[in-house]
Amino acid sequence: EVQLVESGGGLVQPGGSLRLSCAASGFTFRKYWMHWVRLAPGKGLVWVSRLNSDGSSFRYADSVKGRFTISRDNAKDTLYLQMHSLRVEDSAVYYCVREAYDSGTSLGMDVWGQGTTVTVSS
Amino acid sequence: SFELTQPPSVSVSPGQTASITCSGETLGNRYAYWYQQRPGQSPVLVIYQDDKRPSGIPERFSGSNSGNTATLTISGTQALDEADYYCQAWDGSSGVVFGGGTRVTVL
Repeated sequence: EVQLVESGGGLVQPGGSLRLSCAASGFTFRKYWMHWVRLAPGKGLVWVSRLNSDGSSFRYADSVKGRFTISRDNAKDTLYLQMHSLRVEDSAVYYCVREAYDSGTSLGMDVWGQGTTVTVSS
Repeated sequence: SFELTQPPSVSVSPGQTASITCSGETLGNRYAYWYQQRPGQSPVLVIYQDDKRPSGIPERFSGSNSGNTATLTISGTQALDEADYYCQAWDGSSGVVFGGGTRVTVL
């Protein structure tokens, strides 16, 4: 079964740090681009970051640039999101997401994890 | 920055057709994707590359994209289609962009 399982969420004070992990199984992780997407309470989906299959190319949303770092360990089939200088507005459910490609064209974000909750509060 | 605009809500009677629009500058020149998120669940891809359905998505879901507007159409809407729906596209400057989401209510 194709699966993404996030972990590492929790309660942290403003200015603090957290590292999220996403364990992939059931597919060849090293072949896929991966993303983090978040959903804040009462809000819509917001893209956070993207990393290509070999970890050499990444993009960030402006709201997290300079504070968050996306990385992956293809030997461990795991995606990470290191978050620093956390703000109240970073509070959300964070989803790990797989993006499928065919002939250089995106087939969409076809696999989503169950999400892990980050709460930034004093 | 590139933005996608959706209506906040759409109401539909069971068995009728629901249409959800997504507007963005030159959206028709990009691929549009649609995701369904039921309450308490993770999002699910329902349309990719404007009008293609992933395996397992019912035929009542269809998509189109032209000009500045992409549209998700749910024909013969069922109670289980009640959910939030998000459009998504890629922009070279902004990265991945999601619309604000549309709550579909089946009355």
